[in-house]
Amino acid sequence: GAGVSQSPSNKVTEKGKDVELRCDPISGHTALYWYRQSLGQGLEFLIYFQGNSAPDKSGLPSDRFSAERTGGSVSTLTIQRTQQEDSAVYLCASSLFQANLESTDTQYFGPGTRLTVL
Amino acid sequence: KQEVTQIPAALSVPEGENLVLNCSFTDSAIYNLQWFRQDPGKGLTSLLLIQSSQREQTSGRLNASLDKSSGRSTLYIAASQPGDSATYLCAVRDSNYQLIWGAGTKLIIKP
Repeated sequence: GAGVSQSPSNKVTEKGKDVELRCDPISGHTALYWYRQSLGQGLEFLIYFQGNSAPDKSGLPSDRFSAERTGGSVSTLTIQRTQQEDSAVYLCASSLFQANLESTDTQYFGPGTRLTVL
Repeated sequence: KQEVTQIPAALSVPEGENLVLNCSFTDSAIYNLQWFRQDPGKGLTSLLLIQSSQREQTSGRLNASLDKSSGRSTLYIAASQPGDSATYLCAVRDSNYQLIWGAGTKLIIKP
């Protein structure tokens, strides 16, 4: 497909286990974002990848959270030793945005991964 | 620190009415502002993007305006339809290229 895809769509895990969430951005998009949305809440920025630059990790809530983007394409968000407060929908988005350049910044979102920590 | 506020948090109007959703931001040094809609249980869909040098953008029945000096943007929806029911989010990309999001306005259009 041409859109952003995320897997799995749903993940139920036990407290203390590690989880990996995957995002496949639109081909050619330079920017990739991870967000978290808790029930009834707005979007919480987690991490932002821009081309080959060092990622902006300022939104990660703790050192249990990490993310990587391999080859400038697929990204994996890893949550170690999950806690119940980690339960949320994790959204990924990509865009053609490039800092300091005239570029379109329209973000395209994936359907999200619903994480439930028991 | 940039903060984005959306008022009202929820809005319910009869079908056919024109309506305005508000977004305000505290720092006028922005790169762009975007409006999105989110349907229940689904991801977000981009509606309109306004560059900092622009004053408004239009798409169909939607019109978004931007007044940087006053730190405000409005999303105008003409002739509302039940299918417009969703949560509408605005996001500001600031001068450091970070995206800051509002909490959203939940819109219900009553048939």
